[in-house]
Amino acid sequence: ETGVTQTPRHLVMGMTNKKSLKCEQHLGHNAMYWYKQSAKKPLELMFVYSLEERVENNSVPSRFSPECPNSSHLFLHLHTLQPEDSALYLCASSQDWRGDTGELFFGEGSRLTVL
Amino acid sequence: KQEVTQIPAALSVPEGENLVLNCSFTDSAIYNLQWFRQDPGKGLTSLLLIQSSQREQTSGRLNASLDKSSGRSTLYIAASQPGDSATYLCAGSNSGGYQKVTFGIGTKLQVIP
Repeated sequence: ETGVTQTPRHLVMGMTNKKSLKCEQHLGHNAMYWYKQSAKKPLELMFVYSLEERVENNSVPSRFSPECPNSSHLFLHLHTLQPEDSALYLCASSQDWRGDTGELFFGEGSRLTVL
Repeated sequence: KQEVTQIPAALSVPEGENLVLNCSFTDSAIYNLQWFRQDPGKGLTSLLLIQSSQREQTSGRLNASLDKSSGRSTLYIAASQPGDSATYLCAGSNSGGYQKVTFGIGTKLQVIP
């Protein structure tokens, strides 16, 4: 496995369900990110982790809960979502979260549909 | 608040043409800038990174430049091919921290055989 891997690729859930998105990076990077991509909108940064420590929470609703158990894995736990949360959720990593070592590498995304 | 405009929003060209995609930032103090391509339903693939000390980067048929005085970047694609069809996004950081990266919505490119 190389790069950034996300699972599942597609997820359909009801508003009362609890599910999780998983991201794994095989690049030896120290920083990992969750982004949300909605149609006709720029990517929105949700969370940034550096060496398992959260460095940014971009005013994301509490129904999204991130977890970073180590520098290679990142989860996004979902509960009681709304239909407007339907989007493509992208995980990214970079060598570091500052400076010129911050080139972003993205996974293929998890397409989430909330019914 | 930083905003990014990408022009044109969509572009259709015949195979073999050279083309230029544009990206401009409301705050011209760009620390570094990255260009990506995105295929439908997929993630972003990094194409070029212009680091803080650089003004230009080249990879194969792609050349990206950044004018820090105006906050504008261009992506030049030479001898376009049908496989270049995708959405191209630019993203810039106003500081050395990646929590401040702002993305454009992208330019959707179609190269017609």
